[in-house]
Amino acid sequence: DSGVTQTPKHLITATGQRVTLRCSPRSGDLSVYWYQQSLDQGLQFLIQYYNGEERAKGNILERFSAQQFPDLHSELNLSSLELGDSALYFCASSARVDSSAFFGQGTRLTVV
Amino acid sequence: GESVGLHLPTLSVQEGDNSIINCAYSNSASDYFIWYKQESGKGPQFIIDIRSNMDKRQGQRVTVLLNKTVKHLSLQIAATQPGDSAVYFCAESLTGANNLFFGTGTRLTVIP
Repeated sequence: DSGVTQTPKHLITATGQRVTLRCSPRSGDLSVYWYQQSLDQGLQFLIQYYNGEERAKGNILERFSAQQFPDLHSELNLSSLELGDSALYFCASSARVDSSAFFGQGTRLTVV
Repeated sequence: GESVGLHLPTLSVQEGDNSIINCAYSNSASDYFIWYKQESGKGPQFIIDIRSNMDKRQGQRVTVLLNKTVKHLSLQIAATQPGDSAVYFCAESLTGANNLFFGTGTRLTVIP
């Protein structure tokens, strides 16, 4: 158990809908990362927050957004969902921006 | 952008043998590298990391070697066990940067 908690574990939704994925980092970790893992793209970095502020953006679509709350948990919002958004979404946390990141178990999103 | 790749997508070894998983990276400025293990249905699990001021680092049954001259990283697993069967990812980062770039992964299968 990495100490990073993600909910829900599974999510099935229809195209055009909006979902919210939640992540609780390890106790004391200030940095939260979101990654998308699909079969043909591997692990793709989406976005990172540090102590409530956005620090870096990767290949995140405009339909996607995230935030980190004062209690350090983070949410990833996916809207106008398309079939191609079906993937595993992982959250990771680290103590600092340059320390090793520990991953949660992921949320498997299926868009039908 | 950074490019992290793996030489072999699959690797099969006999139980008890040593395994070597290789990774090439393209950004010579990267100075922090991590190996992750991902079992089916689970999130990536941190195995070992190494910074660019080191050539070798050992953990429990695992050793990471870094050759900065040829931009090559390897993970050696001693006395491979069935529980080591998984996909292994290398990831690179740059101190002060805020994300990890992952390779596509190597699937290790341990034959009993």
